[in-house]
Amino acid sequence: AQSVTQLDSQVPVFEEAPVELRCNYSSSVSVYLFWYVQYPNQGLQLLLKYLSGSTLVKGINGFEAEFNKSQTSFHLRKPSVHISDTAEYFCAVSDAGGYNKLIFGAGTRLAVHP
Amino acid sequence: NAGVTQTPKFQVLKTGQSMTLQCAQDMNHEYMSWYRQDPGMGLRLIHYSVGAGITDQGEVPNGYNVSRSTTEDFPLRLLSAAPSQTSVYFCASSYPTGGHYEQFFGPGTRLTVL
Repeated sequence: AQSVTQLDSQVPVFEEAPVELRCNYSSSVSVYLFWYVQYPNQGLQLLLKYLSGSTLVKGINGFEAEFNKSQTSFHLRKPSVHISDTAEYFCAVSDAGGYNKLIFGAGTRLAVHP
Repeated sequence: NAGVTQTPKFQVLKTGQSMTLQCAQDMNHEYMSWYRQDPGMGLRLIHYSVGAGITDQGEVPNGYNVSRSTTEDFPLRLLSAAPSQTSVYFCASSYPTGGHYEQFFGPGTRLTVL
């Protein structure tokens, strides 16, 4: 069975500082990997996804993530955060191919302080 | 396009009451899903549908029923609400693109069962 572990439940950071949100997954098959963002009182929005190819994936709002197969990780990074990045971030995994049921991590709450 | 819409936004029920959470999409997507979001647990799949007339169970289906009579609508029914069903419920629709299914989430319904 697949599972996703987000290693930090909360990450406080100052504005303009870099940030990394960590995600590890377990699966016995090829996977697709996703990062979603949830702003307060809103639904989830796709930030970026890894399907195949280059292991460095760029997404919206200046975020990027790197797929590391040997470490089964998919960490999310941003070199300089803004107050508006304050949100909850979810890592998710699905089987590659076919209709892919998403398995979500517990989420990481990013709090950007001035 | 309105995208994925959910009604109501908020609902309070007493234990044992029944209700239906509504979900509709106007993007002609074949696939639709219901998730519940609980603190520290991320999103968990309740039920999903791969087309009109076809539904299947997800990770946490107990206590919930679904049906899919049209492509547009995918209601979630609670026949006898329990306090353990207090949660935020998200509906999502998806379509195939680039070898995977891109999911679009609704704004959510916050349900409290007393």
